[in-house]
Amino acid sequence: KAGVTQTPRYLIKTRGQQVTLSCSPISGHRSVSWYQQTPGQGLQFLFEYFSETQRNKGNFPGRFSGRQFSNSRSEMNVSTLELGDSALYLCASSLGLESGHRETQYFGPGTRLLVL
Amino acid sequence: KNEVEQSPQNLTAQEGEFITINCSYSVGISALHWLQQHPGGGIVSLFMLSSGKKKHGRLIATINIQEKHSSLHITASHPRDSAVYICAVNTGNQFYFGTGTSLTVIP
Repeated sequence: KAGVTQTPRYLIKTRGQQVTLSCSPISGHRSVSWYQQTPGQGLQFLFEYFSETQRNKGNFPGRFSGRQFSNSRSEMNVSTLELGDSALYLCASSLGLESGHRETQYFGPGTRLLVL
Repeated sequence: KNEVEQSPQNLTAQEGEFITINCSYSVGISALHWLQQHPGGGIVSLFMLSSGKKKHGRLIATINIQEKHSSLHITASHPRDSAVYICAVNTGNQFYFGTGTSLTVIP
């Protein structure tokens, strides 16, 4: 079974631009969660999607948004990029039978975003 | 205020040593996760616990819900265990991470 895939793997943007990252979950998984990892703040939870609906949300500004499609693939969007948005963005999938991360999460390799 | 505290931050061990990494949390949880992150960023989920103890190979994870504390033990450590180990807790609608313990196992 293929693992979680994320595209692109690396991205360079400039301040003020917007960016869209993509995550394809493991086949059969219906829950997709997104995380941001920075050297200063560590790992932080962005949001979780299940059946095309946002199920949980972390404490990030509205510039960070996401969506999930009917095939469970998910995208996250960051608008009006700031230097502090430079980070590794990870997505993880799980079956989705339980809500709120009460299942084993399977992580993708991440997208490394650099904002100049 | 950190909802999840890990100790130690850094750990160096000789191959074969028994290793313990600790995680304390201050919020009510429905599950606790132990994650492993290798250089380059890939994260692997090691355990998910809501009570008691779990064992997988040389890894053992325990949790004490009353004391809000969990430990990850590695028996007979090996250089391939060198990684960052991260504790994360689920409160139902939020997910909080510890800052990680960087483990280096020397041959």
